[in-house]
This record gives sequence, structure tokens and C-alpha cells, in this order.
Amino acid sequence: QITLKESGPTLVKPTQTLTLTCTFSGFSLSTSGVGVGWIRQPPGKALEWLALIYWDDNKSYSPSLKSRLTITKDTSKNQVVLTMTNMDPVDTATYYCAHKVWQGYYFDYWGQGTLVTVSS
Amino acid sequence: QSALTQPASVSGSPGQSITISCTGTSSDVGSYNLVSWYQHHPGKAPKVMIYEGSKRPSGVSNRFSGSKSGNTASLTISGLQADDEADYYCCSYAGSITWVFGGGTKVTVL
Repeated sequence: QITLKESGPTLVKPTQTLTLTCTFSGFSLSTSGVGVGWIRQPPGKALEWLALIYWDDNKSYSPSLKSRLTITKDTSKNQVVLTMTNMDPVDTATYYCAHKVWQGYYFDYWGQGTLVTVSS
Repeated sequence: QSALTQPASVSGSPGQSITISCTGTSSDVGSYNLVSWYQHHPGKAPKVMIYEGSKRPSGVSNRFSGSKSGNTASLTISGLQADDEADYYCCSYAGSITWVFGGGTKVTVL
């Protein structure tokens, strides 16, 4: 059974860097075709795709946030880490990590999400 | 890469059918038959209801169906039930290993 869980700070100050960790089980990020993505949802607003990392360390980012995002993986720990620099109150959101289905283009398993508030 | 356009809200009575549209561009919805639809109950993880435009994952009711025409994808829920009340998001692959979501549609069961 595939599960994912997000962890990280619930509160960050403006201009700080956010680091979120996605810890997963039920699959290996060393298996060909596997990917883990990050998606966020500001309160009352829509889902927004942020980034994705593949088993082969290929990475992709939202064009609008690319300069602020870094996604990495630790295969031995079954973790994916997302960092976002220069946080702003508009970045307040629930951040989800999700498993990209093998040889497909959708997300079949999601974590419960973690709410990050940006405030001084 | 702009968000896909969805109606803000759609409503229907129990048993009725409703359709949610999702309009993109020739760079995303129009270029790929890779639209997925997610049901999102507040406070819960989103759940995929349709993938690759019209395919249903195992366990998803056949009351949910998807289609696409040009740059617009659609999700139809037939035999509307109270538990269908949720937010629904379309998502399209947009090339170069990127995705774009829609603005979301709140479905209300009257």
C-alpha cells in the first residue's frame, strides 16, 4: 500500500526558506518510471502544481516558481524534499506531495497535506 | 502556463447529471489526451476520478465519466449523490514534465 506524508514547519517568516519533507512507503523512488510531485493549495484557492522528481533524478518545476524551488530525493530514506526560498504571505498554503503513477501522467496517491503559514 | 478554466460552481439535485468543463489551450489540454480529474473533500487528500481524459481508476464509480473536445475537457457525474458534493479539479499534462491544474469547481447537491 502506498502512503505519503508531508512534514515541515507550520509557520515561517517572510523571506525565509521553507523546507518540506515527503516521507513515503509502498514504492521505491529507484524504480524506473516512478515520480513524486508537490502540489499546493492556498486557503480557499485552487490546487497548483509545483515540482516533480523522477526515479532517475530528472526534475521539473512550475515555470512561475522555478527560480525559488528545489526538489531533491533521498532514495535510501524514502524521502523527497522541497525547498522554497524567499517565502511570502501569498505562499501560505497546504502543501501536498503525491505519487505520479508509473508510466502515466497523473497522481494516484496523495499525502494528507501540511499547512504552512507565512507570517511575521 | 496559465491555470485551466473551470466554472466556479455547478449544482444539481440528487439523481441528476452535471457536467464540469475544463478549458485549456493547444499547449496543454489540446495537445495531450492526458487530463485527469480530482475530487477534493476539504481536509482530505485529493482523489483521482478520471485519468487520460476518460479512464476510471479501479474503485471509482462508473457514474463518473470524462471526455475531451479540442481544448476543452469535461467531467460528467451522473446519478448525482450527496457524497459527490466536493471540489473538483482538472489537471492537464503540459509538456516538458509539467502539469497545470484548473481553478476548481465546487459541486453542490441541492
